[in-house]
Amino acid sequence: GENVEQHPSTLSVQEGDSAVIKCTYSDSASNYFPWYKQELGKGPQLIIDIRSNVGEKKDQRIAVTLNKTAKHFSLHITETQPEDSAVYFCAASKGNAGNMLTFGGGTRLMVKP
Amino acid sequence: GAVVSQHPSWVICKSGTSVKIECRSLDFQATTMFWYRQFPKQSLMLMATSNEGSKATYEQGVEKDKFLINHASLTLSTLTVTSAHPEDSSFYICSATEDRSSYNSPLHFGNGTRLTVT
Repeated sequence: GENVEQHPSTLSVQEGDSAVIKCTYSDSASNYFPWYKQELGKGPQLIIDIRSNVGEKKDQRIAVTLNKTAKHFSLHITETQPEDSAVYFCAASKGNAGNMLTFGGGTRLMVKP
Repeated sequence: GAVVSQHPSWVICKSGTSVKIECRSLDFQATTMFWYRQFPKQSLMLMATSNEGSKATYEQGVEKDKFLINHASLTLSTLTVTSAHPEDSSFYICSATEDRSSYNSPLHFGNGTRLTVT
């Protein structure tokens, strides 16, 4: 089955700096890669996603890049703010966006004011 | 946007009792719902997939007789933890999709239920 690895497990940045979180996946058939933000005591919230036919996608301060050959994808957050502090999960699945996801281990991002 | 509501948000029960968790899609019909389990500071692990009107599909290692899933309507799935034990204490999260066969119909997650078994 699919295996998704995520690094780093914790990340501390100064407000205004950029944060980068990286994930690798094992199954070359995976073609949908969402990123979720989870705040304490809440469920994950989808923040951005990318498909394997696209190399990069951007939404305001958030961007995701995908390298199909190397089987890795990354989340980039620019101009970080304290409210970006949360746990971020990458995930992978095959086919449709609503298919079951395999999650990475999560990254606890702390943005220091 | 699509909203998935989970209830209760937290529950404390005694060992040996059963607990039911509800997952509702509020503004869309969810043909498929997924149930995840999350231990503290860990990732989400898929427990089972439920499709409306049919039996749930459980992941390897998940006891189907212990974690009963019912997806009786297009807007409601329930997870019942039977004869709960302290090791069942965890954060249970459901997710739903409007159309699993649709290329661009994403998963929406509920806010989770924290179960504590004493």
